[in-house]
Amino acid sequence: DSGVTQTPKHLITATGQRVTLRCSPRSGDLSVYWYQQSLDQGLQFLIQYYNGEERAKGNILERFSAQQFPDLHSELNLSSLELGDSALYFCASSPGQTMGNTEAFFGQGTRLTVV
Amino acid sequence: AQTVTQSQPEMSVQEAETVTLSCTYDTSESDYYLFWYKQPPSRQMILVIRQEAYKQQNATENRFSVNFQKAAKSFSLKISDSQLGDAAMYFCASAGLSGGGADGLTFGKGTHLIIQP
Repeated sequence: DSGVTQTPKHLITATGQRVTLRCSPRSGDLSVYWYQQSLDQGLQFLIQYYNGEERAKGNILERFSAQQFPDLHSELNLSSLELGDSALYFCASSPGQTMGNTEAFFGQGTRLTVV
Repeated sequence: AQTVTQSQPEMSVQEAETVTLSCTYDTSESDYYLFWYKQPPSRQMILVIRQEAYKQQNATENRFSVNFQKAAKSFSLKISDSQLGDAAMYFCASAGLSGGGADGLTFGKGTHLIIQP
């Protein structure tokens, strides 16, 4: 158990819909990172929050947004869903501002299927 | 910008033997970290080993070690005494630090490791 909790584990929804994925970081970790893993794109960094503030953006679509709340949990909102958004969405957390100089831990992911 | 290339989509090794997974990378960062992550069928991403680019000594974690060739931008993973539990997808990744490490991890496409009993 990494200590990072993601809910739900599985999600099936229709095209055009909106979903929210939730991540609770490990106790004490201030950074939350979101990644997407799909068959065609592989693992891609989407966005990072540190202590409530957006810190970095990767390949995140405009239809996607995220936020980190005062209790440090984070939510990833995906809207106007398309079939190509079907993927495994991971959250990771780390104590500091980077994934490099401290170990980051990943959650078990949310499997999103868009039908 | 960073790119990570894993040229071996799949590797197979006999139990108890040694296997080496290849990874090359390209980065414009002056300071960066390199990683190997393991993803078993459970989907969990597990950190196997981490290398700081400014350290010349190769990182080692029990049966796992790396061969870091900075000039060649090569970062291979050696697994000794392979065990059935080592069967998984292995991802090589990099993270730059010159921008404060704010780019997240850049991953390769992965190598599927099969352990033959």
